[in-house]
Amino acid sequence: AQSVAQPEDQVNVAEGNPLTVKCTYSVSGNPYLFWYVQYPNRGLQFLLKYITGDNLVKGSYGFEAEFNKSQTSFHLKKPSALVSDSALYFCAVRVLTSGTYKYIFGTGTRLKVLA
Amino acid sequence: GAGVSQSPSNKVTEKGKDVELRCDPISGHTALYWYRQSLGQGLEFLIYFQGNSAPDKSGLPSDRFSAERTGGSVSTLTIQRTQQEDSAVYLCASSLGGYGISYEQYFGPGTRLTVT
Repeated sequence: AQSVAQPEDQVNVAEGNPLTVKCTYSVSGNPYLFWYVQYPNRGLQFLLKYITGDNLVKGSYGFEAEFNKSQTSFHLKKPSALVSDSALYFCAVRVLTSGTYKYIFGTGTRLKVLA
Repeated sequence: GAGVSQSPSNKVTEKGKDVELRCDPISGHTALYWYRQSLGQGLEFLIYFQGNSAPDKSGLPSDRFSAERTGGSVSTLTIQRTQQEDSAVYLCASSLGGYGISYEQYFGPGTRLTVT
């Protein structure tokens, strides 16, 4: 079955340290991959996407993600975490099912950046 | 410009009652999506509208759930005879194009539904 997984429910990182939020996927064909962030009491916001081309994708707020086809991963990264990055992060993949495209979202990873 | 708006922001209802949730997408966005977010769960796809095409209803969990999109803009998600397991945050999103085009989605703040 086509799926996306975020293996960590929560990630804690000290402010100023690099952060990684993991995402792996299982899809047929070429994946279209997305990261969204949900701040407290707010809707999800788009961060970045990978469609094709350069495996390293840069997005909003200094975030980037690396598409790794051999490991079927699309981990979200930031070189230096800020307390304000604390939020819920969702990975999503576009899949083709029964002739129809859908987006499948992971269960989310809560990032906590400690001052 | 204005983003996706949803109303009400919170809704508490008694089991067995019907509820209507409203979504106003971004002007010019042809695609509209409804998702459900339960505590500790990811986003569960419910229904997708693209332009004038027939909606993709494959994610609706039961026939108690239905949705309409009038004039290619505002959408209403209706849940009939609500059950406690319907309690969740219902999110609406819109995008410039549909699935065939890899546009990102813009999400509303959600409606938190509590069924007592």
